Amino acid sequence: GENVEQHPSTLSVQEGDSAVIKCTYSDSASNYFPWYKQELGKRPQLIIDIRSNVGEKKDQRIAVTLNKTAKHFSLHITETQPEDSAVYFCAASKNSGDKLTFGTGTRLAVRP
Amino acid sequence: NAGVMQNPRHLVRRRGQEARLRCSPMKGHSHVYWYRQLPEEGLKFMVYLQKENIIDESGMPKERFSAEFPKEGPSILRIQQVVRGDSAAYFCASSPSRQGNNEQFFGPGTRLTVL
Repeated sequence: GENVEQHPSTLSVQEGDSAVIKCTYSDSASNYFPWYKQELGKRPQLIIDIRSNVGEKKDQRIAVTLNKTAKHFSLHITETQPEDSAVYFCAASKNSGDKLTFGTGTRLAVRP
Repeated sequence: NAGVMQNPRHLVRRRGQEARLRCSPMKGHSHVYWYRQLPEEGLKFMVYLQKENIIDESGMPKERFSAEFPKEGPSILRIQQVVRGDSAAYFCASSPSRQGNNEQFFGPGTRLTVL
């Protein structure tokens, strides 16, 4: 089955700096890659996703890149703010309607 | 436009009791997924259901765990004879259909504590 690895497990950045989180996946049939943000005690919230027919997608300060050949995808957050502090999870599935396989999460701390 | 609803939000059970977790998908959504999150860990898929059908239960333990999504009413995840290792947050997610590009939206979770 699919295996998703995520790095780093913790990340601390200064407010205003950029943060990058990387994930690799094992199943070449996967073609849907969402990113979720989870604040302490809250539900995971979808922040951005990408499908295998595109290499990059951007939404304001958040961008995701996908390299299907290398089977990795990354989340980029620019101009970080304290409210970006949370745990971020990447995930992969063969189809956006199928089960998600999650990475182990990255705890991001933005220092004011 | 209510999101995915789960109840109860917190559930305390003693070892050997049964736990029933409920999930009401978003309006218009017919697909429900259950995930389990252990403390300080990621989410693990358990089961995927459509109305009256289990589509994929590959992540659900064969014993003590069952799930249903009846024609009427919420989806139920049932854990019989709970053990301390069942303590976790259980999240359900819903999506409108399997075909096409449909995101999964998560509920607030049920935090199960087994004493």
